Amino acid sequence: SQTIHQWPATLVQPVGSPLSLECTVEGTSNPNLYWYRQAAGRGLQLLFYSVGIGQISSEVPQNLSASRPQDRQFILSSKKLLLSDSGFYLCAWSAGTRFYEQYFGPGTRLTVT
Amino acid sequence: GQSLEQPSEVTAVEGAIVQINCTYQTSGFYGLSWYQQHDGGAPTFLSYNGLDGLEETGRFSSFLSRSDSYGYLLLQELQMKDSASYFCAVRDQGYSTLTFGKGTMLLVSP
Repeated sequence: SQTIHQWPATLVQPVGSPLSLECTVEGTSNPNLYWYRQAAGRGLQLLFYSVGIGQISSEVPQNLSASRPQDRQFILSSKKLLLSDSGFYLCAWSAGTRFYEQYFGPGTRLTVT
Repeated sequence: GQSLEQPSEVTAVEGAIVQINCTYQTSGFYGLSWYQQHDGGAPTFLSYNGLDGLEETGRFSSFLSRSDSYGYLLLQELQMKDSASYFCAVRDQGYSTLTFGKGTMLLVSP
């Protein structure tokens, strides 16, 4: 069966510090991968998605970036965090053309102070 | 672009039936998905409607009317554990992503 891992679960970082969040998927090959951010009590905002290694699409201009160094690994990064980067970061995957059926990791709750 | 409208909050009692509506505006509609998210948790996939009509999965059903740009999630025999946020999401033709609504918080009381 497929499993998606995200870490860390929670993170408190000062403004201006770097960020690296990692997501890995097990049990499937060539997944579509997604990074979302969710503000408290709000919907999910798509940040990046990838349909293959080295293929990254950005939905929202910001100080975040994403990379996919391996087939089942998706990394979200920032060189300098802003207060507005606080939120619940979720990684998700889908298989093939089943873009409508996404499976989410447990998420990382980021607080920028 | 896409926009979705769903009620912000719905309340119901245990054992009742509740319907959560979703209307959408997209340039090239492909399908409507529904997700459930418990407080502090991650969203989980519930259902997908690519065609008009009703899809049933246990106590949950989802309906789509393309001509009305409208869908709903129907929850029957409500249980306390159904208290959660429910999101509709649309996929546009040619896109490998979903656009999510802002979510409906369902509160089930005894």
